[in-house]
Parts: sequence; structure tokens; C-alpha cells
Amino acid sequence: DIQMTQSPSTLSASVGDRVTITCRASHSISRWLAWYQQKPGKAPKLLIYKVSNLESGVPSRFSGSGSETEFTLTISSLQPDDFATYYCQQYSSYWTFGQGTKVEMK
Amino acid sequence: QITLKESGPTLVKPTQTLTLTCTFSGFSLSSNGVGVGWIRQPPGKAPEWLALIYSIDDKRYSPSLRSRLTITKDTSKNQVVLTMTNMDPVDTATYYCAHRPVAAAGTSFDYWGEGALVTVSS
Repeated sequence: DIQMTQSPSTLSASVGDRVTITCRASHSISRWLAWYQQKPGKAPKLLIYKVSNLESGVPSRFSGSGSETEFTLTISSLQPDDFATYYCQQYSSYWTFGQGTKVEMK
Repeated sequence: QITLKESGPTLVKPTQTLTLTCTFSGFSLSSNGVGVGWIRQPPGKAPEWLALIYSIDDKRYSPSLRSRLTITKDTSKNQVVLTMTNMDPVDTATYYCAHRPVAAAGTSFDYWGEGALVTVSS
């Protein structure tokens, strides 16, 4: 099984801040990495797929990078709508989610 | 426009079998390479993938839950059904179904249902 580990678990930030979330895979997953945003009571929403490809309609302040086992999600300038929990997910071998990073207001 | 919706019981007793139905529109499971998956999320925890079925009736199961899961499809009804046997209180979660595009798209689950909360309690 491929395990996904995110850090930090919680991130306190202010509107306008640059935010970076890290995701590590226990084995190489090449570029089969997606990022999801989830708000309370809602289904996860796909933001980024294949490491750096923005899903249609996702603001350009979101970006992704990395390969093999180390990946990052960056929000260049945090907006009020971005306070949420973010999950990475590998889809190289089945599908596995990270434990999540909650972005909360400082 | 792709939509999915989960339906099934909100409460099941321990040891019972859970049956959930995903009814979808906007795509066909007869289209080559398309899939529908099931993902669950216990309260306050991360999502966990359970099973996926492809248009060609190829099926994939989570290794840790394989013995308890069965996924089937009814292409004519645009439905995918998940059954999970021997339910336990730790299986309490919101259960989602989601659309998985063809592999050539390079993406993962792009459309999700709103989820169905299932509580396991006697």
C-alpha cells in the first residue's frame, strides 16, 4: 500500500498570505498526484491533478509541484474562500488520501 | 453536466449488510475507460477509497476491505451499487460515489455526489 503523509496538519494564516502544504508518498507515484479542497458538510472538490494541472474553474492562485515522493500545494495569496481542509491523493496504485491539512484563520 | 447521488439506509445495525446505490447522469458507464468509485469519510477523518468499477466491468477493491465489498453496475439504469457486509460501528461514515474519467485524461475523481451519512449502531 502507498501511504500519503501531509504536513502540517493545521495551518493558521491570514488573508493575503502565501500558503504551502507538503505531501509525501511512501513509494514513488511518478506524477499521479491530485489535490482536493473540502469544506464542512461538502464533498471534496478536485483542485489539481497530475501534480500541477488546474481543474477547470480553479483560480490561478492555486499551484502544485513535485514528483516521485515529494509534492507541494501552494496558494499564492490566501482568500477568504480558501479556508478549508486540503487533501492530497495518489492514484498511481489504487487511490490513497493524505490525512488532511486544515487551513484556518490566524 | 455530470451529477451523482448516493442513496441507501442512514442507520444499520452491527453485523448487517449495507447496500448503497449511486445514481448518475451526464455520462455513460458504457463509455470505454470511465469508472465510478466509492469513497467513505468517517466524521473528522480523511477520505478512504473503497472500490471502483470500470465500464468494461473491471473492478478494483481496497485491499484492506476486499473481503467485505462488492461493487456492481447497471448500465441501463445509470447506477452503481456497493454492498458492504458485516457492518461495525467503525464503519460509520459519509459514503460518496465519484466519477473517474478515462485514464487518458490523467486525472482522478473529478465529480462527486453529495454523500450519504451511514451510522452503524444497535
